[in-house]
Amino acid sequence: NAGVMQNPRHLVRRRGQEARLRCSPMKGHSHVYWYRQLPEEGLKFMVYLQKENIIDESGMPKERFSAEFPKEGPSILRIQQVVRGDSAAYFCASSPSPGQASDTGELFFGEGSRLTVL
Amino acid sequence: AQSVSQHNHHVILSEAASLELGCNYSYGGTVNLFWYVQYPGQHLQLLLKYFSGDPLVKGIKGFEAEFIKSKFSFNLRKPSVQWSDTAEYFCAVRRAGGTSYGKLTFGQGTILTVHP
Repeated sequence: NAGVMQNPRHLVRRRGQEARLRCSPMKGHSHVYWYRQLPEEGLKFMVYLQKENIIDESGMPKERFSAEFPKEGPSILRIQQVVRGDSAAYFCASSPSPGQASDTGELFFGEGSRLTVL
Repeated sequence: AQSVSQHNHHVILSEAASLELGCNYSYGGTVNLFWYVQYPGQHLQLLLKYFSGDPLVKGIKGFEAEFIKSKFSFNLRKPSVQWSDTAEYFCAVRRAGGTSYGKLTFGQGTILTVHP
């Protein structure tokens, strides 16, 4: 699965800076999901987007975090004023429109973006 | 909201040993169930999934899982592990239907280390 592309793979930021993580879904996929992986905590759901629409952001911290999936271009996860606790691997996944004929139920994952906050 | 619990954080086995990783979920409605694997330095890959039908599901690389509805469980098994199975394994659940259909909820993962 080389279809879901995330960049950068590694990002280092100092406290207070902004981090932008990008995700291009697999061709033909209209739904994007962001997950955060902290050591020994597994994958935590953050946000679920469709083109130009946030479907579920129940896992997003209330402050400093935002996500978008514009009509053109990749999905972006933005973290403002980063703190050391934001250091983690951020994974993006994509799928076709759930419930449609092409939907196998599977989410296809990218290789992740590892954020380190100094 | 649904949740997923994986019983073991770290399992260590010797090659040829049998494997069973536990997974329980908490949701009373209809669910779709998944096991993903993450090899060191790689992205998550699907091992197998259950939607309906035969509760014993066979996946890639000799893995299988059994859905037991009464126990809300979906345990992963392999009769004889190999060194190359060393990886982290994640159980995941998806509610069948609803506005957030598509989203998977993952367990905390089980790290499997297989010694040659």
